[in-house]
Amino acid sequence: EDKVVQSPLSLVVHEGDTVTLNCSYEVTNFRSLLWYKQEKKAPTFLFMLTSSGIEKKSGRLSSILDKKELFSILNITATQTGDSAIYLCAVQHSGGGSNYKLTFGKGTLLTVNP
Amino acid sequence: DVKVTQSSRYLVKRTGEKVFLECVQDMDHENMFWYRQDPGLGLRLIYFSYDVKMKEKGDIPEGYSVSREKKERFSLILESASTNQTSMYLCASSLEPEVSGETQYFGPGTRLLVL
Repeated sequence: EDKVVQSPLSLVVHEGDTVTLNCSYEVTNFRSLLWYKQEKKAPTFLFMLTSSGIEKKSGRLSSILDKKELFSILNITATQTGDSAIYLCAVQHSGGGSNYKLTFGKGTLLTVNP
Repeated sequence: DVKVTQSSRYLVKRTGEKVFLECVQDMDHENMFWYRQDPGLGLRLIYFSYDVKMKEKGDIPEGYSVSREKKERFSLILESASTNQTSMYLCASSLEPEVSGETQYFGPGTRLLVL
């Protein structure tokens, strides 16, 4: 059975702290790993990772994938209250034929206090 | 900008009613998806469609059906709503993986309450 496990499930930090969110997976026919940020509404795309060891960066956010150990981390440095959200990890894998589907983890609820 | 819209933001239905949730995307995407999101369970895939009139079961298809008569529209149907189908329903769409890099674009969600 395909599994994506995120940890921690929730996290409370103070502004300025650095946080690391974890995502481990076991899926058949791995294709890519994606990170999304969800505030009050729909998830918004952050990163897509397909190769091991290559860091993706966007401002204070960065992410890296380890395909040997089957995990990814999402780092946020100098956190701000606007970073408060649910962070979702999803793995894209073959759903049969040429169809690709996403399996999501349960998410990490990050709360950044002023 | 990709736009994915869902017909209702909030919906209240009674047990046994037939419920239609509509999703429309305006970017000519081949793939469309329906998820439900529940506290402690994350997003779970109900059904997806990779072409008009094509559909595939996701991880939790029981109690649901879908319809894709036109490329831009993907409907989720609850034939006889039950209280355990109270949830947030999210629709998403994407291009072919080789084109889009697998990014799925989500609609704003429909919060369904079944009484």
